[in-house]
Amino acid sequence: GAVVSQHPSRVICKSGTSVKIECRSLDFQATTMFWYRQFPKQSLMLMATSNEGSKATYEQGVEKDKFLINHASLTLSTLTVTSAHPEDSSFYICSASGTGGMVYGYTFGSGTRLTVV
Amino acid sequence: DAKTTQPPSMDCAEGRAANLPCNHSTISGNEYVYWYRQIHSQGPQYIIHGLKNNETNEMASLIITEDRKSSTLILPHATLRDTAVYYCIVRPRSNTGNQFYFGTGTSLTVIP
Repeated sequence: GAVVSQHPSRVICKSGTSVKIECRSLDFQATTMFWYRQFPKQSLMLMATSNEGSKATYEQGVEKDKFLINHASLTLSTLTVTSAHPEDSSFYICSASGTGGMVYGYTFGSGTRLTVV
Repeated sequence: DAKTTQPPSMDCAEGRAANLPCNHSTISGNEYVYWYRQIHSQGPQYIIHGLKNNETNEMASLIITEDRKSSTLILPHATLRDTAVYYCIVRPRSNTGNQFYFGTGTSLTVIP
């Protein structure tokens, strides 16, 4: 139980375009979802926290207009990287907590490798 | 911000116990200690968590000192598949979602 599915696993996009990453909770209701970014050989950095039906709360230094987060349902959150640039290339990971299937801590998705060329 | 300190790297011989330490001297009374691991290019995987008592599950054991200022994750019989970065996380007190903040972790290499 408590499975989080993240798609796509890899994406390559051109500089200036936007990319959407989906995070779905498959067997539980995710009342809260978290988005992380991880650069090579570095740890995970929390970008934002989103509660279903509410605006996301962004960590200091994260541009909310660049990283659009939507958490419109209890099973889906999306992260849209707008006007992507090469420096946005990174590993993006979501995690979720909620009711129904969550027992221990938070479950993480498998991550999305974004490459902006 | 992460409230934990871990050694950056460790080696362990295959089949032997791997003991990964973590310092969390500023832990609050109602904060749990969680351990996750991340195998290269994958999402973090939950291992174990505890409050003040030692815990054991099918993956590992967690030993928390009496003053709760440090803990040790024990993988009893390390295999090559246990090579990963191990993160010790103290869950912060928060009214807005109990975020997980990751520290730098320990890169464990299991040697054949």
